[in-house]
Amino acid sequence: QSVLTQPPSASAAPGQKVTISCSGSSSNIGNNYVSWYQQLPGTAPKLLIFDNNERPSGIPDRFSGSKSGTSATLGITGLQTGDEADYYCGTWDSSLSAGVFGTGTKVTVL
Amino acid sequence: EVQLVESGGGLVQPGGSLRLSCAASGFTFSSYDMHWVRQVTGKGLEWVSAIGATGNTYYPGAEPGRFTISREDARNSLYLQMNRLRTEDTAVYYCARASLDTAIADVNFDCWGQGTLVTVSS
Repeated sequence: QSVLTQPPSASAAPGQKVTISCSGSSSNIGNNYVSWYQQLPGTAPKLLIFDNNERPSGIPDRFSGSKSGTSATLGITGLQTGDEADYYCGTWDSSLSAGVFGTGTKVTVL
Repeated sequence: EVQLVESGGGLVQPGGSLRLSCAASGFTFSSYDMHWVRQVTGKGLEWVSAIGATGNTYYPGAEPGRFTISREDARNSLYLQMNRLRTEDTAVYYCARASLDTAIADVNFDCWGQGTLVTVSS
């Protein structure tokens, strides 16, 4: 049972924008950095966003992250068919003394 | 090329043990914190354990439990010893590298292996 809640699915047409929420608490998102991962079918996760809103080199600026209080959001603009994947937020939970991930959101390009 | 390659997965009976390995290449392994993350087929990601570059270990609830993480920098290798395995431990196990100069609690993994499947079944 994950302590971070994400919507199970999100969708938009090509070229449009999709946002994915990640809801937690003061013991996790509220006091720790949030990362976001993309997992294409049959592959390992890939880091998209770290430290709430930073992009690793090579990640296009179509991907953005933000955090407010105990929630975080991933935004994807200019949606492409190649963006169809599962997306996970991740952070540390100070009460559990453990890394925690969100429930995951499947993005579909209509 | 930065690469992580897991091995050691397979079929094991409940109550059995298994040791997973992760071979690192293309970077200075000894400088990086390393983590294990698992994923039940069709389900989400679950953090398993971490080991710092200095050798400090981290487990859920701060207790080692049935799993023990270790590293051998001379061999550029990460390990996960899993004992008293249960059917619910069936999953793909990934090793992941934490970004340099980040804290364990940053959960910032910039490189992942391809995963190794562990199946616990009688």
